[in-house]
Amino acid sequence: QSALTQPPSASGSPGQSVTISCTGSISDVGGYNYVSWYQQHPGKAPKLIISEVSKRPSGVPDRFSGSKSGNTASLTVSGLQADDEADYYCSSYAGNNDFVFGRGTKLTVL
Amino acid sequence: QLQLLESGPGQVKPSETLSLTCTVSGDSIRRSTYYWGWVRQPPGKGLEWIGSIFYSGSAYYNPSLKSRVSLSVDTSKSQFSLRLSSVTAADTAVYYCARHAWLWYLDLWGRGNLVVVSS
Repeated sequence: QSALTQPPSASGSPGQSVTISCTGSISDVGGYNYVSWYQQHPGKAPKLIISEVSKRPSGVPDRFSGSKSGNTASLTVSGLQADDEADYYCSSYAGNNDFVFGRGTKLTVL
Repeated sequence: QLQLLESGPGQVKPSETLSLTCTVSGDSIRRSTYYWGWVRQPPGKGLEWIGSIFYSGSAYYNPSLKSRVSLSVDTSKSQFSLRLSSVTAADTAVYYCARHAWLWYLDLWGRGNLVVVSS
């Protein structure tokens, strides 16, 4: 079980869009439509923002969207706001009752 | 509204066993579509899935921790628990409990419990 690969950092100005990638393998990201994304502000618990590649839980703004192509999933944050500055983690079901997280991406709103 | 609350000691000595409990309130722990999981986060680092357990007692573990981890569930108390043996400083982390939908995603989280491994 290897952690999924995310860029350590990403940034954008208010109002812009930013995309964060999450790369795995056919054993996890590429093999299942069970990629999820979490937002974590400093000192807080993670919060689910995307499940099953592209589903938004109730209350999550539609500025957050998810997609997947092959072994890489992506989270796009549109119309960046100051409160979007946080750490973002992807995760995936990895078969055989296994589950794996990405290493996390720190999003900075310039 | 469902809430999860971790409880347990904030410090454990090296080589001893870390024990934490998560209490579920506001909904039944016996829901058929949910597992109950543990995730940890060392200071300044990323998230690591530890394992998840169904209300029936079926449990699944991160292969890298499997030899030291044991999960249990007490449906009468709406609680599930984590035991991690032979701890070292590398096990110092915030430990979160969470609801794990079908083992696909973690949709509700506790506030976390910092555990420091130190003599």
